[in-house]
Amino acid sequence: GDSVTQMEGPVTLSEEAFLTINCTYTATGYPSLFWYVQYPGEGLQLLLKATKADDKGSNKGFEATYRKETTSFHLEKGSVQVSDSAVYFCALYGNKLVFGAGTILRVKS
Amino acid sequence: NAGVTQTPKFQVLKTGQSMTLQCAQDMNHEYMSWYRQDPGMGLRLIHYSVGAGITDQGEVPNGYNVSRSTTEDFPLRLLSAAPSQTSVYFCASSYLPGGTDNTGELFFGEGSRLTVL
Repeated sequence: GDSVTQMEGPVTLSEEAFLTINCTYTATGYPSLFWYVQYPGEGLQLLLKATKADDKGSNKGFEATYRKETTSFHLEKGSVQVSDSAVYFCALYGNKLVFGAGTILRVKS
Repeated sequence: NAGVTQTPKFQVLKTGQSMTLQCAQDMNHEYMSWYRQDPGMGLRLIHYSVGAGITDQGEVPNGYNVSRSTTEDFPLRLLSAAPSQTSVYFCASSYLPGGTDNTGELFFGEGSRLTVL
C-alpha cells in the first residue's frame, strides 16, 4: 500500500540555518503530496502542497518540489527562525491520506 | 470561523471507564475522521466516515466506536478505557475523497489529550 518515509528527528538547528527534511513516498498512480505542520499544543495545519510531478509548493519561506523520478518531496527553508520550531509531517493523498511519522524541528536562538 | 471543534481538550480516565470525545465541524464536509497521535508513530487512523450514516474502520479501530447521525458531528466512544489508549486524539474533516472539491487537504481540530490510569 501507499506509504511515506520521513527522516527521523529531532532536528536541531541554530536560527538562520538552512533546513532540509527528507521525505520519500511509495504509491501507485500519481498522488498529491503535502507538508503539514503542528505547532506546540495545536492540531495539524497544511503548510504546502503539490499535486503533480515537478510542481513546487511554497508557503512561509518553505518549499518542496514533487520529484516523481526519485519519489521524493523534501522540505526546505533557507533561513529558519525560532518560531519554526514544530513537528512537520509529510503526507500523500492517493485514494486516502497517508502520513509520515513526523519530524521534530527545534530552532535555537 | 469555528472549523473543527473537539471537546474535551484534556481528560483523565481510570481503566474500564467509558467516555465520548466530541467532534463537530461547520464546513459542510462529507468526510470526517479520527486519528491518534503517539510519540514516534505519527498519526494513525482509527475510524472515518464519508457521510451521515456511513462509517468504516481505519488502521487501529479496536476499542473505539463511532457513529455519524449528522453531517456536522462525529463522536468517538471509548467503551472500556485501557492504558494503551493514552494518546492525543485528533478529529479531521475534508470534502469527499475523490470528489471535485477534494484536494486531499484535511482540516484538524486542536486535539484531545487522554490519559488512562
